[in-house]
Order: sequence, then C-alpha cells, then structure tokens
Amino acid sequence: QVHLEESGGGVVQPGRSLRLSCEASGFTFSAYTMHWVRRAPGKGLEWVALISKGSDDKYYADSVKGRVVISRDNSMNTLYLQMNTMRPDDTAVYFCARGRVRGLRFHFDYWGQGALVTVSS
Amino acid sequence: SYVLTQPPSVSVAPGQAASITCGANNIGSEDVHWYQQKPGQAPVLVVYDDSNRPSGIPERFSGSISHNTATLTISRVEAGDEADYFCQVWDTSRSHAVFGDGTKLTVL
Repeated sequence: QVHLEESGGGVVQPGRSLRLSCEASGFTFSAYTMHWVRRAPGKGLEWVALISKGSDDKYYADSVKGRVVISRDNSMNTLYLQMNTMRPDDTAVYFCARGRVRGLRFHFDYWGQGALVTVSS
Repeated sequence: SYVLTQPPSVSVAPGQAASITCGANNIGSEDVHWYQQKPGQAPVLVVYDDSNRPSGIPERFSGSISHNTATLTISRVEAGDEADYFCQVWDTSRSHAVFGDGTKLTVL
C-alpha cells in the first residue's frame, strides 16, 4: 500500500535553514509528480511546491519562492524540501503528497502524516 | 489569482445531510477536489474531479458542481465525519494548487 513518511521537522530559529524528507513506498515513486503542502496553526491548507517525475519542472508558491528548494532522489524514493531564511510564518505542519493529474490539473491522492516545523527564537 | 470561498462552519445533527459549498467565478469549468482533515491527521481525499469517490470512501460522500458553486454533500452524517473540509482546484496558468479556506463541520 502507498505510504509517505516525512521526517526532519523541529524547532529552528528565524533566519536558519531546515531540510525535510519524505520517504515513499508502495508505489513507483519515479512515475509521479510530488508536492509539499503545509498547514499553519489556525489556518487552512497551503500548497508549497511541486517537482515533476524527472525533476525537470519545479514550481513554488509565491510565499516561499526564493527561500525554498524542492528536490527528489528517485533511486532512494525520497522527496526533499530545503527551507532557507526561515520566518515565523513558516511555522506549520508540512505534508508531502502524491500528485494525480488529469490534463494539466493536479490533485493529491495520498498524503504523509506530516512534519511539524516551528520557527521561533 | 484564483479564490475559492467556503463557509467557515457548518453544523448538522447526526443522521441529517450536510452540504459544504465552494464558490468561485466559473468554477464549473474547473476540476474540483475535496479533502477531509481531522485534528492531528493527514488530509484524506474524499471526492476528486467534481464527483468521483476514491476507493474506500463511503457512498455517503458525494460531489456536484454548477456554474459558480461546487458542493460536497455528506448524507446521513455521523459523529466521525466531524472534521475540516477543503476544496481545491489547480491554477494551470501558474501551475499552483489553490485551496479554499476550509469549512469546519460540527456534528451536533
């Protein structure tokens, strides 16, 4: 069965960096576009970034563009999110999600349990 | 940018039907997807492509769409349906997902 497991969350000071990982199993990881989605305390879901199957295409939300890098290692079935120059409003639970596409439109059929990231001094 | 409007909260008695709306200009031309998220848990896809149910999702969950409004209907609501529900579309012009702000379903 499909399983996604995030790791790497924790408490980080403003301005510092953090890398999240998402290990995938139960499906052919290299065949799917993958996404990161976050949910801040008291807020709704916010899409963060996507990476195509072969890493050729990467897109970012305006709120993180220039501070975040999405990457993947298909040989390790692992998705990454490198977050730099972190801000308190980056505090959230970060979910990796598998993308399903129809035409050019994605939705998310499987999600990990999430990794809590807290940005605080 | 694309904006999806959901009511902040919906309350319903057990056994009754709950309708959660998601409004946007010409949303009928989009593919709308719905997620359920319970506290401390991952979101779960409950309806995709407007009205399709993933395997394992009860038939009580259904989706519909008209010109400016998508609707998630939960029939015969149970206590276990209490959760936040989010609608989502894909903004192809920006290659971004857009989520509604979410609706908290309370079972009275």
